[in-house]
Amino acid sequence: KQEVTQIPAALSVPEGENLVLNCSFTDSAIYNLQWFRQDPGKGLTSLLLIQSSQREQTSGRLNASLDKSSGRSTLYIAASQPGDSATYLCAVLTTDSWGKLQFGAGTQVVVTP
Amino acid sequence: DGGITQSPKYLFRKEGQNVTLSCEQNLNHDAMYWYRQDPGQGLRLIYYSQIVNDFQKGDIAEGYSVSREKNQSFPLTVTKAQKNPTAFYLCASKEPPRQGGTGELFFGEGSRLTVL
Repeated sequence: KQEVTQIPAALSVPEGENLVLNCSFTDSAIYNLQWFRQDPGKGLTSLLLIQSSQREQTSGRLNASLDKSSGRSTLYIAASQPGDSATYLCAVLTTDSWGKLQFGAGTQVVVTP
Repeated sequence: DGGITQSPKYLFRKEGQNVTLSCEQNLNHDAMYWYRQDPGQGLRLIYYSQIVNDFQKGDIAEGYSVSREKNQSFPLTVTKAQKNPTAFYLCASKEPPRQGGTGELFFGEGSRLTVL
C-alpha cells in the first residue's frame, strides 16, 4: 500500500525566506502527484500537479519537483509572504489504485512578518 | 463558474440521527470522492465513485452511506451508527485522465459536522 509522508509537520520562517516542503512516497508506480494548500476551516486548493513523466512544474513563486526513483517530491516557495501561511498537503495517485489518492498529513507553515 | 458545492457548511446533529451532506459538481467529472479530516490528521477516504450508479468503500466507510444517481451529485449520509462523526467532511471530483485530462483533483469548501 502506498504511504505518503510529509516532514516536517510544522515550519516557521521569517518573511522573505524561501520555503522548502518535502513529500516522500513508498511506491514509485505513480500516475501523478498533486500539491494542495489548505487554509483553516477551508477546503483544499490545488497548487501544482506533476505527471509521472515530468520532473517539475512551476507556477509563479511555486516550483515542485518529482523524483520517482527516490520517491520524493519537493515544493519550493520563493520569497515567502505572510499570506503563504497555511497547511500544505501532497497527494499521490498510484497507477493501480483504481483512482484513489493517498494523502500526506501535511506541513503547517507560518510566515512571520 | 465551474466548481464543487458542498452544503451545508456547518451542521449540528443530535445523537441517534442520520444526516446527509450534499455535494454537487458542474465540472462534468466522472469520479467523485468523500474524505474525512480530523484535527491534526490527514485526509481519510470514506467512499468514492468512478461512474454513475457505482461506488466503492474507502478506508473508513463504516457508519456512512452514499448514492450516485446523477453524475453531478454524490451525497453522503452519516448514519447514527457512526460512533464518532464530529469532523470536517470534504468532497472532491477528479478530471478523467483517460479522456486526455490530467487527473487533477478538485475540492469543495467542506462541511463541518458537530454532534451535540
